[in-house]
Amino acid sequence: AQTVTQSQPEMSVQEAETVTLSCTYDTSESNYYLFWYKQPPSRQMILVIRQEAYKQQNATENRFSVNFQKAAKSFSLKISDSQLGDTAMYFCAFMKPWNSQGGSEKLVFGKGMKLTVNP
Amino acid sequence: SQTIHQWPATLVQPVGSPLSLECTVEGTSNPNLYWYRQAAGRGLQLLFYSVGIGQISSEVPQNLSASRPQDRQFILSSKKLLLSDSGFYLCAWSVLRSMNSTDTQYFGPGTRLTVL
Repeated sequence: AQTVTQSQPEMSVQEAETVTLSCTYDTSESNYYLFWYKQPPSRQMILVIRQEAYKQQNATENRFSVNFQKAAKSFSLKISDSQLGDTAMYFCAFMKPWNSQGGSEKLVFGKGMKLTVNP
Repeated sequence: SQTIHQWPATLVQPVGSPLSLECTVEGTSNPNLYWYRQAAGRGLQLLFYSVGIGQISSEVPQNLSASRPQDRQFILSSKKLLLSDSGFYLCAWSVLRSMNSTDTQYFGPGTRLTVL
């Protein structure tokens, strides 16, 4: 079974600084997907960024980028130029691709990390 | 564009009462639909998923059930709520692009359920 570990329960950063959130996972699959989701106080789960395991290039979305190390099974999120609106819980998640043998697109989540951006 | 709705947003129910949470998706056809539960201070746990009308798969055995009466409607139910059913319930949708391509899951606003 796949597991996702976020070892840092909480972090704080000053506005405009850069912060890195760590995530490790365990799987025997060779092809899979990794995600970072953000959950602000409203509690809606919002997709931040997605990475396909077969792609060597790290995904980027504006101020958000990942450092994907497949051999090390590490998937960290870097937030540049932190903004007050980045304050939220951040969840790392793993998903196996769909397969015809009934595999579901089940997301396996880490326990999350609370990020606070201070003015 | 696609949107996903959940209601009610907040619900307080006594132990032993029934439950019905509804999720609907707009702007897409034949989505995969999911129910997740988030307990306080924890990540999300998949409860049910559906790849089509009437097709429900359960991930965790419990006193909850799910139904999909229409293509874009997903319902989470219980005949008798337990205290342990309290939590934040999130519905999500995705569209399978191809046999070898898994699409991203997008979440609704959630329902906060408190069982007293």
